[in-house]
This record gives sequence, structure tokens and C-alpha cells, in this order.
Amino acid sequence: DAGVTQSPTHLIKTRGQQVTLRCSPKSGHDTVSWYQQALGQGPQFIFQYYEEEERQRGNFPDRFSGHQFPNYSSELNVNALLLGDSALYLCASSSSRGAQGEQYFGPGTRLTVT
Amino acid sequence: EDKVVQSPLSLVVHEGDTVTLNCSYEVTNFRSLLWYKQEKKAPTFLFMLTSSGIEKKSGRLSSILDKKELFSILNITATQTGDSAIYLCAVTGGFKTIFGAGTRLFVKA
Repeated sequence: DAGVTQSPTHLIKTRGQQVTLRCSPKSGHDTVSWYQQALGQGPQFIFQYYEEEERQRGNFPDRFSGHQFPNYSSELNVNALLLGDSALYLCASSSSRGAQGEQYFGPGTRLTVT
Repeated sequence: EDKVVQSPLSLVVHEGDTVTLNCSYEVTNFRSLLWYKQEKKAPTFLFMLTSSGIEKKSGRLSSILDKKELFSILNITATQTGDSAIYLCAVTGGFKTIFGAGTRLFVKA
């Protein structure tokens, strides 16, 4: 049973560029949440997708957008990259029918903006 | 504004010691409190707590929630070097999950 997978593992971009990160949820999960984790900090909630819709959003600018596909996989897009966007981006999946809040995390994508 | 505060931020102990990690929160529409262990990248799930006063245990780890005082603790007994990690507390409110900054635990041999 495959867990949560993310791609790519690492990414280096230049300020002003755009990036797309991908996530495949654990088998049987239909909900995907994205988090940004800066060095030395806890993960910060970006948004959650369910039924291909953004269900809730954290305090992130519109430069951060996402998408969920019919197979429940998801993408995180970040436009006009800033140096401060350098972080570990984590995807977590959960089941809408499961225990509320129990999420399984992927290994993350390490984004470096130069 | 929703917040989760963990203490201490870091802790150094010797193998065999018992440690207590603290988590306080103010989150609207509380649903659950979760503890995770993060060693390299992906946080791994430890406990989910939804009811006050019910202790959850897994081996040497245990946790309890106080919904009146908005507080949870994570206990680790007989610590081992493999317990060295960042321990994250998170609270789910509505459809979002708010994490604390974590407690960095280092266990010396």
C-alpha cells in the first residue's frame, strides 16, 4: 500500500519564477492538505483540497494556488517566487470518512529560491 | 488568531530519563489535537486526542488532553537515543491544522 508521494524531491528556482509541486495521496484518501515548513519552524497550513475544491485556506497570498484532480492527486503552484518561499513543502492526505485530523505526510519537496 | 504554543523549544536529556513536552492552544472549532515525530522530513503520526482526560499510550510514549485548560502533554519514559527528534503538536480546527513550532529533543547516550 503506497503512502503519500511527492515530486520532485528537491528543486532550485530563481526569484520571479513559477513552480509546481505534486502530491499523490495515500490509497483510499480523498483529502489533501499542503504545508510550508521553514527551517526551525513547524509546518504552516497553506490550504486543503477536497472534491477538487479548495475547502479552507491559511494565511498565504494568492501567489499560492492549487488544484486537485479526479484521482485525488494534487498540485501546489507558487508564482513570482520570493527568497522567503524557500522551505520544505509537505503534502498530507486524509480520508473524509476517517478519524478527523489524522493525516499522513509525504516526504516533502525542498524548494530553494535563489 | 489561532495559535499552538509548545514548550520547551529544546531539551537535552540522558538515556533513561523521562521527559514531558507541553502544548497549549487557542484554536476555533476544535476537532482534535495531534502529536507527530519529525526526524528528517515527513512528520510521523503518534497520537490523536479528542476527549479530555483519556490517556493514550504507545509503548514508552503517552499523551493526555485537557480541553478545559486547552493543554496537552506528551510523556516519554526511559528515553533512548532513537527518541531524538522534533516533536510537533498540532490542532485541527474546522478543516485546517495549526502546528506549534515543535520541541527539539536530543537524548545523549
